[in-house]
Amino acid sequence: AQRVTQPEKLLSVFKGAPVELKCNYSYSGSPELFWYVQYSRQRLQLLLRHISRESIKGFTADLNKGETSFHLKKPFAQEEDSAMYYCALSYMNTGFQKLVFGTGTRLLVSP
Amino acid sequence: EPEVTQTPSHQVTQMGQEVILRCVPISNHLYFYWYRQILGQKVEFLVSFYNNEISEKSEIFDDQFSVERPDGSNFTLKIRSTKLEDSAMYFCASKSTGSTDTQYFGPGTRLTVL
Repeated sequence: AQRVTQPEKLLSVFKGAPVELKCNYSYSGSPELFWYVQYSRQRLQLLLRHISRESIKGFTADLNKGETSFHLKKPFAQEEDSAMYYCALSYMNTGFQKLVFGTGTRLLVSP
Repeated sequence: EPEVTQTPSHQVTQMGQEVILRCVPISNHLYFYWYRQILGQKVEFLVSFYNNEISEKSEIFDDQFSVERPDGSNFTLKIRSTKLEDSAMYFCASKSTGSTDTQYFGPGTRLTVL
């Protein structure tokens, strides 16, 4: 069965510090991995996806199939990065794309 | 930029009552989804809908739940007889087409069952 694990409920850092939000997954096939972000009182929105290989708002994430991980990183955290971050997994090559979410990590960036 | 909208933002109901949660997906999207998030827990898939029929549903989506696309714009989730444990945030999402497209989420409806 598919499973996404985010081991940290809360990650608290100071502005300018590096950030790494951990995500591990369990899936026997070829997964597609996503990071969604939810700012206070806002909707879930896509931050990035592994197939895009792009950096959004300074965040990057690399799919490591050997370690079954998709950790989210940013070298210098900003206060506006404070939000709830969800890692999610989906099947590849099916049109219906059910998302399986982790429990989320709350990132708090202090001044 | 077009967005998924949901109404109401908060619904309070008595146990045993029927509720209908409404969603307006992005207009050219073809795939529709409902997810829910019980307070303090993860976002869970409920159902996906394509071409006017359910394409996949989870174990949560039992006979008390139904979905409908009654016209060209709305996508509804009905809970026939609400239970206390149905209290959650319900998110609608839509996707245009293709396996690699992104799901866009609505702001959610908070359902409180008393």
